[in-house]
Amino acid sequence: DAGVIQSPRHEVTEMGQEVTLRCKPISGHDYLFWYRQTMMRGLELLIYFNNNVPIDDSGMPEDRFSAKMPNASFSTLKIQPSEPRDSAVYFCASSGGSRDRGYEQYFGPGTRLTVT
Amino acid sequence: AQKVTQAQTEISVVEKEDVTLDCVYETRDTTYYLFWYKQPPSGELVFLIRRNSFDEQNEISGRYSWNFQKSTSSFNFTITASQVVDSAVYFCALSIKAAGNKLTFGGGTRVLVKP
Repeated sequence: DAGVIQSPRHEVTEMGQEVTLRCKPISGHDYLFWYRQTMMRGLELLIYFNNNVPIDDSGMPEDRFSAKMPNASFSTLKIQPSEPRDSAVYFCASSGGSRDRGYEQYFGPGTRLTVT
Repeated sequence: AQKVTQAQTEISVVEKEDVTLDCVYETRDTTYYLFWYKQPPSGELVFLIRRNSFDEQNEISGRYSWNFQKSTSSFNFTITASQVVDSAVYFCALSIKAAGNKLTFGGGTRVLVKP
């Protein structure tokens, strides 16, 4: 299995530009999560989907952030317009385990976003 | 709300020493899951171990072992005979089924293993 795939791995953009991060979950997993990692706030959940439906977006910072999951094999996280404080590593994770396995999540390599 | 606390921010050891990482969690749910993840300098997050709230049996997997104690809400993790490749940031995390199994992470403990 290829694992969770994220693209791009690195993104440098100027303030005000639109940024789109992409994620392909592990085949067969029905949960998909977007996390953000910063020095100040650590690892925090932004949003998660179950069977392509957004379930909890309470972690999305503000209206500039949006996420979609048009099908079971693809999700996007969009920031428009981007700001320097959005600079972080964004992780996508997927999960599809059983109760006994605790629905463990497998993470992609992350996208390091720098907004100048 | 769930909370995970890793009181140790950084631990430095010499190769072959054992390292124990502390984790204390808070939740009102009776069914929950605890995890340890490793983040090496390359940046990816690697799943290491999982423990379910309904199973307090402690286990050993290779050089890793864990001590889960519900009475003290602790889930400590030990690396035996540490190696330089163990140098990384280790995160303890908690999830509950009722909240969609989203992970709540602790702040992480940086482990530095010196040769």
